[in-house]
Amino acid sequence: TQLLEQSPQFLSIQEGENLTVYCNSSSVFSSLQWYRQEPGEGPVLLVTVVTGGEVKKLKRLTFQFGDARKDSSLHITAAQPGDTGLYLCRSSGTYKYIFGTGTRLKVLA
Amino acid sequence: NAGVTQTPKFQVLKTGQSMTLQCAQDMNHEYMSWYRQDPGMGLRLIHYSVGAGITDQGEVPNGYNVSRSTTEDFPLRLLSAAPSQTSVYFCASSYGGGEKLFFGSGTQLSVL
Repeated sequence: TQLLEQSPQFLSIQEGENLTVYCNSSSVFSSLQWYRQEPGEGPVLLVTVVTGGEVKKLKRLTFQFGDARKDSSLHITAAQPGDTGLYLCRSSGTYKYIFGTGTRLKVLA
Repeated sequence: NAGVTQTPKFQVLKTGQSMTLQCAQDMNHEYMSWYRQDPGMGLRLIHYSVGAGITDQGEVPNGYNVSRSTTEDFPLRLLSAAPSQTSVYFCASSYGGGEKLFFGSGTQLSVL
């Protein structure tokens, strides 16, 4: 069974700091999605990466797909309190798409 | 445009009771799925469907049944509720399994 491990599990940082969270698997992804979930709500899609080595930017967020398509990272530059939430990756290898274990980020003002 | 509608929003059950969580979408999505989210955790896939009449098990299917008689509806049935099923349940849909998921607002279920 494919397992998506995310690290770190928890992260608490000061406003303005940079951070990177990771999503890793032992299996190759055909594509990978990143979602953010805020308390009391369902996750919202941030980005989908498809090609090995691909880099996508969404304002202060930079997403990278590993060359071997077995890992991905999300880098946030100059984090803001509005970035607080649960960050989830989701694999798209087969129809049994699963979510990663999640990284809970708290950005302190 | 309602999107994905989940009902009820809150539910309290006694151990052994059964119930159905409703999920409906009006976007003509083929892919629908159910997840449970335990406190502080990610989402675990319970069951999913790639179209009317087709369902399959996810990561944690035990204790749950689903059916997909129409494109719009994908109810989740708890056969005999157990305290371990206390969780927040989310329904989601998309055009295809790897496409953008649209989520319902969630159901907070407590089993006493």
